[in-house]
Amino acid sequence: DGGITQSPKYLFRKEGQNVTLSCEQNLNHDAMYWYRQDPGQGLRLIYYSQIVNDFQKGDIAEGYSVSREKKESFPLTVTSAQKNPTAFYLCASSIPTSGRAPPEQYFGPGTRLTVT
Amino acid sequence: QKEVEQNSGPLSVPEGAIASLNCTYSDRGSQSFFWYRQYSGKSPELIMSIYSNGDKEDGRFTAQLNKASQYVSLLIRDSQPSDSATYLCAAAYSGAGSYQLTFGKGTKLSVIP
Repeated sequence: DGGITQSPKYLFRKEGQNVTLSCEQNLNHDAMYWYRQDPGQGLRLIYYSQIVNDFQKGDIAEGYSVSREKKESFPLTVTSAQKNPTAFYLCASSIPTSGRAPPEQYFGPGTRLTVT
Repeated sequence: QKEVEQNSGPLSVPEGAIASLNCTYSDRGSQSFFWYRQYSGKSPELIMSIYSNGDKEDGRFTAQLNKASQYVSLLIRDSQPSDSATYLCAAAYSGAGSYQLTFGKGTKLSVIP
């Protein structure tokens, strides 16, 4: 089955530790995205990548880092510099945005990170 | 600042009624719009996309777009209890050769049996 997988589903860390969230897709999508969602809030874009070995900061990139070494994978590292890391993290991917087709984004199941 | 505004609700409708969800956006350059359904504790699921003025129907769902008024809506006919969820509206805008989405905070819909 094609889809987007994120692991783990729940993650607990102590303050001051870096943590890496996994995102893998087998949809052959070029573009991948990371969002965070806080209770009662919309999704906010952290980082996105249109092609392998290239990525751009979103609206709230401070305290996060990413890599895109393979088309299928887009891991997100939450560093100790992120002041409020507890959130629901969502990875998404989309079809190429060339032409007139709208860039429909599809989401993985998410990782709920709790930092204490 | 690109913004998408939604009434947070909750919006309560009886089973079988039409649920009407509304969204406004600030960026006139936005061309594509999306509705996602998000059940509590789950990730968003794409249910409709629209990029031309007018209506687009898919089963019990109808998306409506009015670019002059910068207004997008989602109608759910014959609402079912299983439609109870938070509905997120998103607008796509282009920049740096790519598209990004701006999301509203969502409207919580409750369908009462």
